[in-house]
Amino acid sequence: GAGVSQSPRYKVAKRGQDVALRCDPISGHVSLFWYQQALGQGPEFLTYFQNEAQLDKSGLPSDRFFAERPEGSVSTLKIQRTQQEDSAVYLCASSLLRADNSNQPQHFGDGTRLSIL
Amino acid sequence: QKEVEQDPGPLSVPEGAIVSLNCTYSNSAFQYFMWYRQYSRKGPELLMYTYSSGNKEDGRFTAQVDKSSKYISLFIRDSQPSDSATYLCAHGAGGFKTIFGAGTRLFVKA
Repeated sequence: GAGVSQSPRYKVAKRGQDVALRCDPISGHVSLFWYQQALGQGPEFLTYFQNEAQLDKSGLPSDRFFAERPEGSVSTLKIQRTQQEDSAVYLCASSLLRADNSNQPQHFGDGTRLSIL
Repeated sequence: QKEVEQDPGPLSVPEGAIVSLNCTYSNSAFQYFMWYRQYSRKGPELLMYTYSSGNKEDGRFTAQVDKSSKYISLFIRDSQPSDSATYLCAHGAGGFKTIFGAGTRLFVKA
């Protein structure tokens, strides 16, 4: 498909387990974003990659959250020692980069719904 | 005060009505403005994107931006049941961070 693909769509884990969420951006999109969306809220920024470089990780809630994009395409968001408050939908978005280094509008995947028991 | 304020609704209207959705923002550095539509269990889908004050129209949708009062609106004409979704306003200040409102839930009754 041509859109942003995320897997798994649903993930249930026990508190304390580690989880890994995958994002396949649109081919050719330089920019990649991760967001966390709690129930009834808008997406909250977590981190941003430009190619393989993580330029902003200011939204990551704690050092249990880690994201990587080693080859500048697929990205993984890892959460270690999960807690119940980590339960949310994790959205990935990608976009093209303009010549002035600003981003085109973002295209979102359908997210991974994470439930921590 | 949140950077972006949006009435969560729900807003319920009959089919064919004109819908008005609104956001206010506090950061005057915001340079570009977007409206996204999000269906249940789906990711946000871009509806409108604009840099400037004034109106931008696309089919049944019109986005209105008033930078002087830090107020943006989305109007939907001839609303359809398929328009039932959550509408998110979003703002950016250049760079890469985009700030989203909490979303307004819209129900269009047939």
